[in-house]
Amino acid sequence: EPEVTQTPSHQVTQMGQEVILRCVPISNHLYFYWYRQILGQKVEFLVSFYNNEISEKSEIFDDQFSVERPDGSNFTLKIRSTKLEDSAMYFCAILRGWTQYFGPGTRLLVL
Amino acid sequence: KNEVEQSPQNLTAQEGEFITINCSYSVGISALHWLQQHPGGGIVSLFMLSSGKKKHGRLIATINIQEKHSSLHITASHPRDSAVYICAAPETSGSRLTFGEGTQLTVNP
Repeated sequence: EPEVTQTPSHQVTQMGQEVILRCVPISNHLYFYWYRQILGQKVEFLVSFYNNEISEKSEIFDDQFSVERPDGSNFTLKIRSTKLEDSAMYFCAILRGWTQYFGPGTRLLVL
Repeated sequence: KNEVEQSPQNLTAQEGEFITINCSYSVGISALHWLQQHPGGGIVSLFMLSSGKKKHGRLIATINIQEKHSSLHITASHPRDSAVYICAAPETSGSRLTFGEGTQLTVNP
């Protein structure tokens, strides 16, 4: 059974629209991560979230991005006004012990 | 900032061959991750190791912390092993991962 699932699996949106990507762990975790992978490139860190607060963010994670844990279990990544270059695979991960376990990803396409 | 380098970038093998993928990193760490990414894009954690060697089925991972180097070996490779193999190193224990470029492995029958 996977540690974490993500919804939606695919999303197509128009440039300028807001999208919300969801990460659903199977049990309570305190440490979450969001990563993204632009097609043909390596996976990049976006943000880590510990105990309901951002603990670290990369230079990619600018004001158009936000994360929250709206109901104490699900973990969301919001992109306020999508750009073409936001097209990528977005992965969330949870930390159990010292190992990060990845969700299956959301493939986002911005047109 | 940790720099993570993998080699080779692409590897084609015949079924049954022994495979080695290498990973080196620039900053001392306590552990390193090996991940597998299938064509659909999903990422699966294979190993997290901090010293010595770990084995899972036909997969073996080794790490030399002093030399900042790790290897992933696949014995008796099979076409279903075809995937991208990625090593990733944390900046500090439990923190953000820095990923290598990945090694595209193709195993032909």
